[in-house]
Amino acid sequence: QVQLQESGPGLVKPSETLSLTCSVSGGSISSYHWNWIRQPPGEGLDWIGYIYYSGSTNYNPSLKSRVTISVDTSKNQFSLKLSSVTAADTAVYYCARRKSDSWVFDYWGQGTLVTVSS
Amino acid sequence: DIQMTQSPSTLSASVGDRVTITCRASQSINSWLAWYQQKPGKAPELLIYRASSLESGVPSRFSGSGSGTEFTLTISLQPDDFATYYCQQYNSYPWTFGQGTKVEIK
Repeated sequence: QVQLQESGPGLVKPSETLSLTCSVSGGSISSYHWNWIRQPPGEGLDWIGYIYYSGSTNYNPSLKSRVTISVDTSKNQFSLKLSSVTAADTAVYYCARRKSDSWVFDYWGQGTLVTVSS
Repeated sequence: DIQMTQSPSTLSASVGDRVTITCRASQSINSWLAWYQQKPGKAPELLIYRASSLESGVPSRFSGSGSGTEFTLTISLQPDDFATYYCQQYNSYPWTFGQGTKVEIK
């Protein structure tokens, strides 16, 4: 059974860079697309972007100038960096795997709350 | 971006009721629509994809239909089904979600 686990600081100061890592266990990171999705408190879901195990990426245009997603296949991990954060970036951040035959998300991490505050 | 609008925002119902949630897309998304269930403090779980295909392990009391711009999720409610439901389009980037429909106990 594939499991995903997010890790990283729960508090980030305004204008700094948010950094999170998603560790994948129970399966290989190879041959899948790996995503970041966020959910502001009490709100809906926003897709941030994905990385393929080979390293190709696609980002939501609304965040593209501030987002970098990278992968480390040797560690079965992928990461998110979001620069120049503001309070509007406060959210629960989820990592998720793309289902093999559809652009939907079949495995999710439990999510990690990141608060942007000084 | 394709806007996804769900209705109602909140739905009050009883165990055994058959309820329907609607999701409308701002432009045609063919059948590229998924439904997720989210419980408080938990990650969303995939229920249905390609508008009507049931994800493995999901009970058959959940069903989806629709194409183009209008889609529905129908549930014959059991106690475990009180949660928030989201639709997601994957016809074109960026993938977008509806704002959610909370199903409450009446």
